Amino acid sequence: EAQVTQNPRYLITVTGKKLTVTCSQNMNHEYMSWYRQDPGLGLRQIYYSMNVEVTDKGDVPEGYKVSRKEKRNFPLILESPSPNQTSLYFCASSLIRTSGSNEQFFGPGTRLTVL
Amino acid sequence: AQKVTQAQTEISVVEKEDVTLDCVYETRDTTYYLFWYKQPPSGELVFLIRRNSFDEQNEISGRYSWNFQKSTSSFNFTITASQVVDSAVYFCALSGGTGTASKLTFGTGTRLQVTL
Repeated sequence: EAQVTQNPRYLITVTGKKLTVTCSQNMNHEYMSWYRQDPGLGLRQIYYSMNVEVTDKGDVPEGYKVSRKEKRNFPLILESPSPNQTSLYFCASSLIRTSGSNEQFFGPGTRLTVL
Repeated sequence: AQKVTQAQTEISVVEKEDVTLDCVYETRDTTYYLFWYKQPPSGELVFLIRRNSFDEQNEISGRYSWNFQKSTSSFNFTITASQVVDSAVYFCALSGGTGTASKLTFGTGTRLQVTL
């Protein structure tokens, strides 16, 4: 089954304790992206990657890191989490097309609480 | 810069009423794509529809219909004969251009509450 998986689905942590949220897709997609969802703000892009070893900042990258060592995986790293990073996080992936839409497939979301 | 506006924060209707969710967008791209996603209480994002900027035909899928009007930069979503299961947050989103993958710019969402 074609899918994007995220782990963990739920995480409660404390300020300053490094954490990683994993994202994996099995569709051989080049493009992967992280979004965060906050009440009243919709979803905003954190980082994205066009291919292995190619990453770039989205709209709200502060406090986050990513890596893309393999095509299927795109982990989101919070080196020193703070309470303002409490949010619902979505990973997404898509093909990169020369024409036509790049429909993005979303993971199930990770609900992070930073105390 | 791209922007999506969903002015309706929350809508409450009684079951079987029709309801329209508004979406207005801004973009400088001549080719772009518009999307609607549903987020039920369980939290996942459910893809509903994609429309490209060259296709202004309205679309109907069961009780759902979409009205795309380039002249007013709007892509509104109507649910006919609403049901309790339609209760969710609905997001409109915009993706620009061809030739590259590009991010989705989301609106802030409209929470729809359907009651008996």
